[in-house]
Amino acid sequence: SQQGEEDPQALSIQEGENATMNCSYKTSINNLQWYRQNSGRGLVHLILIRSNEREKHSGRLRVTLDTSKKSSSLLITASRAADTASYFCATVSVSRYNFNKFYFGSGTKLNVKP
Amino acid sequence: DGGITQSPKYLFRKEGQNVTLSCEQNLNHDAMYWYRQDPGQGLRLIYYSQIVNDFQKGDIAEGYSVSREKKESFPLTVTSAQKNPTAFYLCASSMTLYNEQFFGPGTRLTVL
Repeated sequence: SQQGEEDPQALSIQEGENATMNCSYKTSINNLQWYRQNSGRGLVHLILIRSNEREKHSGRLRVTLDTSKKSSSLLITASRAADTASYFCATVSVSRYNFNKFYFGSGTKLNVKP
Repeated sequence: DGGITQSPKYLFRKEGQNVTLSCEQNLNHDAMYWYRQDPGQGLRLIYYSQIVNDFQKGDIAEGYSVSREKKESFPLTVTSAQKNPTAFYLCASSMTLYNEQFFGPGTRLTVL
């Protein structure tokens, strides 16, 4: 089964509100990444957080990582209509046999209403 | 302009035909990937390549084949053995296997 799973599956908020999305994973990771996808387009990388980091900021984005709970959250502050997209977390797993892969979750569909 | 390109944007295939999707990058990245995305779903890894002349199966490699003869290019062939090939195919590259991935615009394949 997929390593990363986002929650909620869908989120609808008003412009100006904050949006929080969560990601849970199952095995040890090297890093965790968040991506955005506009409908019918490729993904765009937002932020990467390494397994030894707990929090990272980039503009209106704040990502936290709790390796003990195997979870991460993405917070978008002061949301805009242009933030409407699907958001995916991706984990890079760590393996004794050096068989590392990217695992993408099924995504959170965010709708920001103007 | 540095980036990753995919062609064609839309592709139609008759049942029983093989088709090849193109992916080219000029980012000087070592790693490249192919993903499949079905409507409303996440991405599933088909194949990835860590370096030229090397590639590994992902989670859903059956019915697909790839080659990595050049650093810049990672074409994906969807063979007739793939029973349900209609999907959105995304190619990506990264500096190394652990780093952030840069995605192409995707190819939407429809089997008629």
